[in-house]
Amino acid sequence: QVQLVQSGAEVKQPGASLKVSCKASGYTFTNHDINWVRQATGQGLEWMGWMNSNTGYTGYTQKFQGRVTMTRDTSINTAYMELSSLRSEDTAVYYCARAAVGATTLYHFDYWGQGSLVAVSS
Amino acid sequence: QSVLTQPPSASGTPGQRVTISCSGSSSNIGTNTVNWYQQLPGTAPKLLIHSNDQRPSGVPDRFSGSKSGTSASLAISGLQSEDEADYYCAAWDDSLNGYVFGTGTKVTVV
Repeated sequence: QVQLVQSGAEVKQPGASLKVSCKASGYTFTNHDINWVRQATGQGLEWMGWMNSNTGYTGYTQKFQGRVTMTRDTSINTAYMELSSLRSEDTAVYYCARAAVGATTLYHFDYWGQGSLVAVSS
Repeated sequence: QSVLTQPPSASGTPGQRVTISCSGSSSNIGTNTVNWYQQLPGTAPKLLIHSNDQRPSGVPDRFSGSKSGTSASLAISGLQSEDEADYYCAAWDDSLNGYVFGTGTKVTVV
């Protein structure tokens, strides 16, 4: 069965960087985009960007441009999301999600990771 | 802020029908398909409806989706206590060149 297993909770200091991993299993990793979505406590879902797991090509929402980097290691079927220059407002649960199809017209996420809680505090 | 607008809350008694609206624009709902996600308390979101009205395997047929113009709706018929959750609509936005979520609707079974 398809599974996305994310790395554990982390506490980070302001100004530091975080790197969350998302290990995929149960399907051909390079056949599906991986997206990252975050959710601050009590808030809604916020899409951060996507990565083509085959080519490594990425697209980020403007809000995170210059601060976020999405990468992958196809040898271990794992995607990564790195966010730099952390501030308190980045405290959130970060989710990876698999895109079911590549066409933007039909874009949707059929499997999600369990989430990784990141707290930014001094 | 979100470009897709949903009512913050909706409620109903067991067995009732509840409808949640999602209002967008020509660059998102007007052009691309709408998806709905259910998020139970303390859990990751789950795909509920995709491509406007398609239910993934395992989703009860009590859940249905529709789209008209730049708006979409999720209907829950025969409301059950386990349907208490947050519901989000979402779609690709061609102007933003990214995926956008709705503001979210909390459904309460009273």
